[in-house]
Amino acid sequence: DTGVSQNPRHKITKRGQNVTFRCDPISEHNRLYWYRQTLGQGPEFLTYFQNEAQLEKSRLLSDRFSAERPKGSFSTLEIQRTEQGDSAMYLCASSWEGAGEQFFGPGTRLTVL
Amino acid sequence: AQTVTQSQPEMSVQEAETVTLSCTYDTSESNYYLFWYKQPPSRQMILVIRQEAYKQQNATENRFSVNFQKAAKSFSLKISDSQLGDTAMYFCASMYSGGGADGLTFGKGTHLIIQP
Repeated sequence: DTGVSQNPRHKITKRGQNVTFRCDPISEHNRLYWYRQTLGQGPEFLTYFQNEAQLEKSRLLSDRFSAERPKGSFSTLEIQRTEQGDSAMYLCASSWEGAGEQFFGPGTRLTVL
Repeated sequence: AQTVTQSQPEMSVQEAETVTLSCTYDTSESNYYLFWYKQPPSRQMILVIRQEAYKQQNATENRFSVNFQKAAKSFSLKISDSQLGDTAMYFCASMYSGGGADGLTFGKGTHLIIQP
């Protein structure tokens, strides 16, 4: 296992389109996190899964955003009706319960035209 | 809610020098972790060092060490014998250790440039 992977690495879409990103965590990790990072800022927490259960959602996660983690393995983050303000890097991280530190993937850079 | 403040947007030092990055935080929790993450240009975020709040001893990892002042809510990172490969964005972050709630709270980052 080589770490957290994310696909695609880059996504360009037109305003109003739907996009979906995928994250594959480190296989033995049961916690999975999504963050959003805009230029010049630190990442901001979006949501978190423990196994397949989505346990926490930030107020940043509007109703156009939905995340799933079927069977507690990979996760998807979908953005419906994209807006230019959604342009950002979307980061996924995973950890083992109780370990504290999170391991990050390379991110998916979304550009909404 | 937790907040993390990094007051140095950018720092530049010569190779082999020692540099200290500042971080202050605010939390109402008694159990939490503090972290420094490094994000090189166009590369993914990697953990530099972590500190459990209940531990008084400052964490060290090779050339990286922290100065954890719990009462002052300060968590600075010291990089000794800096190298060109240390050039990156450095983010200070906190997290409640009682569970995954809210994930990591990051500061805005410090852009560290190591000059040859």
